[in-house]
Amino acid sequence: SAVISQKPSRDICQRGTSLTIQCQVDSQVTMMFWYRQQPGQSLTLIATANQGSEATYESGFVIDKFPISRPNLTFSTLTVSNMSPEDSSIYLCSARGGTSGTRYEQYFGPGTRLTVT
Amino acid sequence: SQQGEEDPQALSIQEGENATMNCSYKTSINNLQWYRQNSGRGLVHLILIRSNEREKHSGRLRVTLDTSKKSSSLLITASRAADTASYFCATGYSSASKIIFGSGTRLSIRP
Repeated sequence: SAVISQKPSRDICQRGTSLTIQCQVDSQVTMMFWYRQQPGQSLTLIATANQGSEATYESGFVIDKFPISRPNLTFSTLTVSNMSPEDSSIYLCSARGGTSGTRYEQYFGPGTRLTVT
Repeated sequence: SQQGEEDPQALSIQEGENATMNCSYKTSINNLQWYRQNSGRGLVHLILIRSNEREKHSGRLRVTLDTSKKSSSLLITASRAADTASYFCATGYSSASKIIFGSGTRLSIRP
């Protein structure tokens, strides 16, 4: 299975500022994703991070608010821009399609707990 | 949007009992995955079952898939306090597609 790490693990930010979350996978993977999880809720997909091209965003999420980079097959970043208290959530990085697992199994990082004041 | 609905939303059982959680989905899938999430932590991958499979086992976990009913179940046998967590199903349409999460079941194991 792929091991995924995220930085920071948590942060408290002021409204109007931006935070960039980093995601590192210990092996090359085909696909990387970013999810958001509100307290007590299920996971909502923000976007698919495409290597070398623009991310594919889900309905309700836009690039200006959540710019994503994926410069190679093991690393991605998600920026939460111009934050408001409604952005307080857990943000999770996910990956699939590594060489050590099946192409269908999808693994998750530990999450970044963001609080916006 | 969520593809899957899980029931029950919450389940409390005595340690040692079996726990069964169900996941229903709306459209045909290629695979279905079950995850566990302890409070405030990341998701742990439990089992993946393909659409051409009917049952899979992993330790105390048993997953079934009924594509005709568009449903799956996760059975945890001989539950332990450490099984207390939220459990999610996630459905995938192909190897290249995103997976969509269900609403989750909160499982509590009473000592």
